[in-house]
Amino acid sequence: GDSVTQMEGPVTLSEEAFLTINCTYTATGYPSLFWYVQYPGEGLQLLLKATKADDKGSNKGFEATYRKETTSFHLEKGSVQVSDSAVYFCALSTRNQAGTALIFGKGTTLSVSS
Amino acid sequence: EAQVTQNPRYLITVTGKKLTVTCSQNMNHEYMSWYRQDPGLGLRQIYYSMNVEVTDKGDVPEGYKVSRKEKRNFPLILESPSPNQTSLYFCASSLSGGIGRGWADTQYFGPGTRLTVL
Repeated sequence: GDSVTQMEGPVTLSEEAFLTINCTYTATGYPSLFWYVQYPGEGLQLLLKATKADDKGSNKGFEATYRKETTSFHLEKGSVQVSDSAVYFCALSTRNQAGTALIFGKGTTLSVSS
Repeated sequence: EAQVTQNPRYLITVTGKKLTVTCSQNMNHEYMSWYRQDPGLGLRQIYYSMNVEVTDKGDVPEGYKVSRKEKRNFPLILESPSPNQTSLYFCASSLSGGIGRGWADTQYFGPGTRLTVL
């Protein structure tokens, strides 16, 4: 079945460091790919998305490129801030016989210190 | 303000005592879904609904019921809660769930309900 694998956390960085969180997927068909972020005590919110191969999603300095050849959607940010501390979820959305399914990775906790 | 609301936010109950967690969205979304979040397991889908009176099982439906009598509401019902249902629950909605490019729709999440079953 469809699945998402993302790097285990926690990831601990100093402010202004470069961030990469790896995400790979397995899916039949052509999924849409998402990164959601969960700040402490809150629900998930969309960070960025890409709907077809070679699309780049970007938001708040974060970027991810839909790579069909490597089935990857790695999240990057050039200079993290303390306020970026959160849990990040990679997800894919694909249609199955019953409709749309949104499948999440297990989440990666990012902790940024000043 | 466009939002998904859940109530209650926190609930402690005992085994076997029926409970309902409400979910409401004000965005006229067709698709609604319930997830549970557990440490090391990420989010897993419990049930989803493509539209009014249309519901279907997700990955972990055992022990849960849902109903979709109105477009805006999608309550989660635990008829006889057990300790293994202690978890953080999220309701989510999106514009459509399977029409056209609906699978690219963003899902909007509620703030979560932390449930403890003793």
